[in-house]
Amino acid sequence: EIVLTQSPGTLSLSPGERATLSCRASQTISNNYLAWYRQKPGQAPRLLIYAVSSRASGIPDRFSGTGSGTEFTLTVSRLEPEDFAVYYCQHYGSSPRITFGPGTKVEIK
Amino acid sequence: QVQLVQSGAEVKKPGSSVKVSCKASGGTFSNYVFSWLRQAPGQGLQWMGGIIPMFATATLAQKFQDRVTITADESTSTAYMELSSLRSDDTAVYYCARDHYYYDSSGDYVGVPGLFDSWGQGTLVTVSS
Repeated sequence: EIVLTQSPGTLSLSPGERATLSCRASQTISNNYLAWYRQKPGQAPRLLIYAVSSRASGIPDRFSGTGSGTEFTLTVSRLEPEDFAVYYCQHYGSSPRITFGPGTKVEIK
Repeated sequence: QVQLVQSGAEVKKPGSSVKVSCKASGGTFSNYVFSWLRQAPGQGLQWMGGIIPMFATATLAQKFQDRVTITADESTSTAYMELSSLRSDDTAVYYCARDHYYYDSSGDYVGVPGLFDSWGQGTLVTVSS
């Protein structure tokens, strides 16, 4: 099982600023099976990015994903009020591979 | 886009069981994978298992293989997750989610399992004596 770690644990920023979130895998992630989700307080997660860099349906272009191997990054170019939330990276594929990172909280500075 | 509506919050005693439902509407049900995940208070997400309703066979995460039963009723487009021998550390919000992965009419699987593009609203299960 691949273990995902995320940094930082908390990111304090202002609306309009750029957010850069990191996700590190314990082993190389094959087939680019790395996704990102945003979870607003009291809500279910929402898929943002899959296959490292592809935006899910309806996701605005201020969200972008990059990376390969074991190092991945989610960038939010200009934070909107609804972007202050917790972000999870996820490894997916067949069942033993479905794991999530511990999350990064983006809070208002 | 499929909508998933889950049953309401539950309070259970240790050692008992809970069954949570997830009704799908607005999309195909039988040939998609529906998964269950949970999130303990203030914690991250944990995949529990999934099922393709038309095959009625669930795949479970190793951690839950002895306590979780996942079923589906095609006639009502509803998936179920039952967790037995409840403990206090089972207190969590339980989510159903649809995988971006399905079995198509040509007999092939399309997509990749474990990518969750639609989610239910979550069901809080509290285990307390």
